[in-house]
Amino acid sequence: KAGVTQTPRYLIKTRGQQVTLSCSPISGHRSVSWYQQTPGQGLQFLFEYFSETQRNKGNFPGRFSGRQFSNSRSEMNVSTLELGDSALYLCASSLAGRFSGNTIYFGEGSWLTVV
Amino acid sequence: AQSVTQLDSQVPVFEEAPVELRCNYSSSVSVYLFWYVQYPNQGLQLLLKYLSGSTLVKGINGFEAEFNKSQTSFHLRKPSVHISDTAEYFCAVRGNYGGSQGNLIFGKGTKLSVKP
Repeated sequence: KAGVTQTPRYLIKTRGQQVTLSCSPISGHRSVSWYQQTPGQGLQFLFEYFSETQRNKGNFPGRFSGRQFSNSRSEMNVSTLELGDSALYLCASSLAGRFSGNTIYFGEGSWLTVV
Repeated sequence: AQSVTQLDSQVPVFEEAPVELRCNYSSSVSVYLFWYVQYPNQGLQLLLKYLSGSTLVKGINGFEAEFNKSQTSFHLRKPSVHISDTAEYFCAVRGNYGGSQGNLIFGKGTKLSVKP
């Protein structure tokens, strides 16, 4: 079956603009989470959604937001972009439920460059 | 809170040699442990995971890892590496809060470079 799909794969934005990234989880997966990957900070958790509700949130400013739709697809938004927001943004999905051992499957990511 | 330390940022090795990538974690609760691999310009792919039971876990591509609770370690090994194993490897933990979800906490990664 299809994996986690993220769009767009690459994008360039200007400081102060906003950006929306999209994620389609694996069919049947109801949990979607987002991670930011940078050379300096590594992989950092942004937030997790389950059944259209944010279930968990990392330590990021309010400029970073997300949402999940009834079909489990998710979007994340970054407003007032800063140079430091340049990163690979990874979406991941896993099965429903609260079992921490569920495998989390990652998409190929969206490369955001802020100039 | 949990944290993960990957002791080596880069590991160069010759083809067909054995390799061990080291990972130590700290946590106030029991954890589930994972190793992911990231090839250039790609997302993360799960290599293996430890949930419970046997401390030796076998994964894809000939990799295995051993959970050592007393040393809070989860080192990844492969007896004979190939050029195609060149990638970055991430160790991750996820807290076991009596069955409820915790997010993945990643180490900084180890870049494995396999030379011919």
